[in-house]
Amino acid sequence: GAGVSQSPSNKVTEKGKDVELRCDPISGHTALYWYRQSLGQGLEFLIYFQGNSAPDKSGLPSDRFSAERTGGSVSTLTIQRTQQEDSAVYLCASSSRGLAGGRNEQFFGPGTRLTVL
Amino acid sequence: AQSVTQLGSHVSVSEGALVLLRCNYSSSVPPYLFWYVQYPNQGLQLLLKYTSAATLVKGINGFEAEFKKSETSFHLTKPSAHMSDAAEYFCAVGTATGANSKLTFGKGITLSVRP
Repeated sequence: GAGVSQSPSNKVTEKGKDVELRCDPISGHTALYWYRQSLGQGLEFLIYFQGNSAPDKSGLPSDRFSAERTGGSVSTLTIQRTQQEDSAVYLCASSSRGLAGGRNEQFFGPGTRLTVL
Repeated sequence: AQSVTQLGSHVSVSEGALVLLRCNYSSSVPPYLFWYVQYPNQGLQLLLKYTSAATLVKGINGFEAEFKKSETSFHLTKPSAHMSDAAEYFCAVGTATGANSKLTFGKGITLSVRP
């Protein structure tokens, strides 16, 4: 079956513009995660959706960042008034959730490379 | 709170040599531990995971890792490096408690393999 897909693969924008990044998780996966990967910084957790529960937004770096997940499937990460420090690769992952959610493998998409000029 | 430390950012080995990538973790509850690999311009792919069963875990592509609670370590090894192993490797820790099952990743180690 299809894996996690993300679009666009690359996005170049000007400082101050808004951007939307899309993630299509694996069908049937109830958990969805967004991470940011900056050069030399590893992966930084941004936000986590699990079914119909309230999302864990504890990793969002500022109120310019927001995300939603419609119908328990597709998710959109929105960055408003982009800054140069927002330049990074944004990765989405999904997983099935069993009794112990932390043990389940997260399947990653190829990422969206965002460049803010 | 949980954290992962991957010492060094770059490891270089000769083809056929032992690969050893170090990972130490900190967790206030029993951890789940993962190693992911990222090839250039691709997403992360799971190599192996420890979920409180056997402490020696075997993964794909000949990699294995051993969970050592006393040393809070989960080092990744492969007896003989192949050119195709050149990639970035991330260690991550997760927990089973609570509703939040996010992973905390280390900063990654780039593995180079010399012919």
